[in-house]
Amino acid sequence: DAGVTQSPTHLIKTRGQQVTLRCSPKSGHDTVSWYQQALGQGPQFIFQYYEEEERQRGNFPDRFSGHQFPNYSSELNVNALLLGDSALYLCASSLATQEQYFGPGTRLTVT
Amino acid sequence: DAKTTQPNSMESNEEEPVHLPCNHSTISGTDYIHWYRQLPSQGPEYVIHGLTSNVNNRMASLAIAEDRKSSTLILHRATLRDAAVYYCMGDNYGQNFVFGPGTRLSVLP
Repeated sequence: DAGVTQSPTHLIKTRGQQVTLRCSPKSGHDTVSWYQQALGQGPQFIFQYYEEEERQRGNFPDRFSGHQFPNYSSELNVNALLLGDSALYLCASSLATQEQYFGPGTRLTVT
Repeated sequence: DAKTTQPNSMESNEEEPVHLPCNHSTISGTDYIHWYRQLPSQGPEYVIHGLTSNVNNRMASLAIAEDRKSSTLILHRATLRDAAVYYCMGDNYGQNFVFGPGTRLSVLP
């Protein structure tokens, strides 16, 4: 049983560009959450998707948007990239409100 | 939202018990308390969670204060593989998870 997978592993973008990160949840999971983790800090909640709808959102600007597909996979989009968006982006899946399973993350570097 | 504080780092000897504290003074009555740990270059890994009662599983025990303003993660016998950053977090019915700053646990052989 594959766990949570994320792609790509690493990504380098230029300030002002747009980026799309992808996540496939653990088999049987219907809920996907996205987190941003800056170096040396704990993960910060971006938003959560359930039944293809954004159910909850953390304190992130509208430049951060997402999508969940019928197969429960998800995308995180970030527009107008800033240097401060450089971080590890983590995807976590769960079944409803149960414990979350995290992927290995995508390391985004904005230059 | 449940805001949490944790010590920056702790140290333990191998095969000794470890008590990792977390203060969550602003936790609401409906927030579950979760603990995750993160090894280098990996995503966080679920450890345990609870609401009001103490909880045990194969990995650890969770002791929750009666007023729910604090909790303690207990590793009964620390091993070298337990060296990681441990995060406590508040969870409002599976939404809007708020991670604490994390405690870096070092395990000495």
